[in-house]
Amino acid sequence: NAGVMQNPRHLVRRRGQEARLRCSPMKGHSHVYWYRQLPEEGLKFMVYLQKENIIDESGMPKERFSAEFPKEGPSILRIQQVVRGDSAAYFCASSGLRGTEKLFFGSGTQLSVL
Amino acid sequence: GESVGLHLPTLSVQEGDNSIINCAYSNSASDYFIWYKQESGKGPQFIIDIRSNMDKRQGQRVTVLLNKTVKHLSLQIAATQPGDSAVYFCAESYGQNFVFGPGTRLSVLP
Repeated sequence: NAGVMQNPRHLVRRRGQEARLRCSPMKGHSHVYWYRQLPEEGLKFMVYLQKENIIDESGMPKERFSAEFPKEGPSILRIQQVVRGDSAAYFCASSGLRGTEKLFFGSGTQLSVL
Repeated sequence: GESVGLHLPTLSVQEGDNSIINCAYSNSASDYFIWYKQESGKGPQFIIDIRSNMDKRQGQRVTVLLNKTVKHLSLQIAATQPGDSAVYFCAESYGQNFVFGPGTRLSVLP
């Protein structure tokens, strides 16, 4: 039973380019969360999705960031026109039930913006 | 001893000693709590959880204590080993999303 799979593991982009981060939840999980982490800091909630629905995006920046979790395929976190301040580790987590079951995390995507 | 670094507080313990990592949570309505361990370059790994109807829960070498009166959570690690060196996060949930604490770096001294 594979865990939460994130790819790519490392992503390098130049300022102004687009970054696409992918997350496949654990088998049987329909709840996906995205978190952002800066070095030596905690995990900051970005967005919570269920299949085909964004449930809570209160942690997402209003511009340039979007997320989706289509009926088929992985969840995608998309960052348009990246800036250096977007450089961070982005973690995806999944659970079977919202808020009442533990989250299982992927290994993260380290985004570096040159 | 415990010290506050640039961002993460650090707890240093001797190998074989017991470690106690503390966490103050924010919402008195939170009813589910989790401790995670994060090693360098990796994603957070589940350690142990506890629901608000309990005060204490034990796992293998780890114990979580919950004090709802003062909104305090602690993680106790018995006979700390070098492999326990990592950053530890507490997380609280009140039926919505999980909110993570700032984390504590545990450093195990030989």
